[in-house]
Amino acid sequence: QSVLTQPPSVSGAPGQRVTISCTGSSSNIGAGNGVHWYQQLPGTAPKLLIYGYSNRPSGVPDRFSGSKSGTSASLAISGLQAEDEADYYCQSYDSTLSGYVFGTGTKVTVL
Amino acid sequence: QITLKESGPTVVKRTETLTLTCTFSGFSLRNAGVGVAWIRQPPGKALEWLALVYWDDDKRYSPSLKSRVTIIKDTSKNQVVFRMTNMDPVDTATYYCAHMVVRTSYFDPWGQGILVTVSS
Repeated sequence: QSVLTQPPSVSGAPGQRVTISCTGSSSNIGAGNGVHWYQQLPGTAPKLLIYGYSNRPSGVPDRFSGSKSGTSASLAISGLQAEDEADYYCQSYDSTLSGYVFGTGTKVTVL
Repeated sequence: QITLKESGPTVVKRTETLTLTCTFSGFSLRNAGVGVAWIRQPPGKALEWLALVYWDDDKRYSPSLKSRVTIIKDTSKNQVVFRMTNMDPVDTATYYCAHMVVRTSYFDPWGQGILVTVSS
């Protein structure tokens, strides 16, 4: 049912850089409705990681960065650490559905 | 510091109505620009936005669930109540409430969540 598509999983060795894509459409990401990213550690509630495409809330390491291009957005994690192993979700607002939408989610594994 | 906590039944029967309460602190729904949302996550699956109420009592619902859900704010108690009718086993999920500021379109922070199981 998700209208934002993410890869099911990505993995990398400690210290490497990984990226997660979030593909939407002209009624959400492409409409300039903002893209936000959440990190969900195992057994916990989601936590805001990036807001407004590329802004980090206070306390979020600068290893996390976000970007947007057309109808897609990306989250990059550089200098991958074991503690980054979690599920990551993108989120936007869809003007056609008149509602908030989440991505399908991506599991990040640190090898 | 803003905190939210969900409460309610952890098991409901098929066709029953689910009622959950979000009790929050650190902000007031009397303040312009503030909102509280409900979001759910079935086990092992993605997040799904359900409903949102703003300080001015403007309410928004997921189009796919609009006929089944209701959101109500109680400003004096710092609570938001969520109701979903005609529960089905596919509605088994962890239900979260979250704080939102109007025009930002993101949810922060979230409550710890409550796992609701629908028995058949």
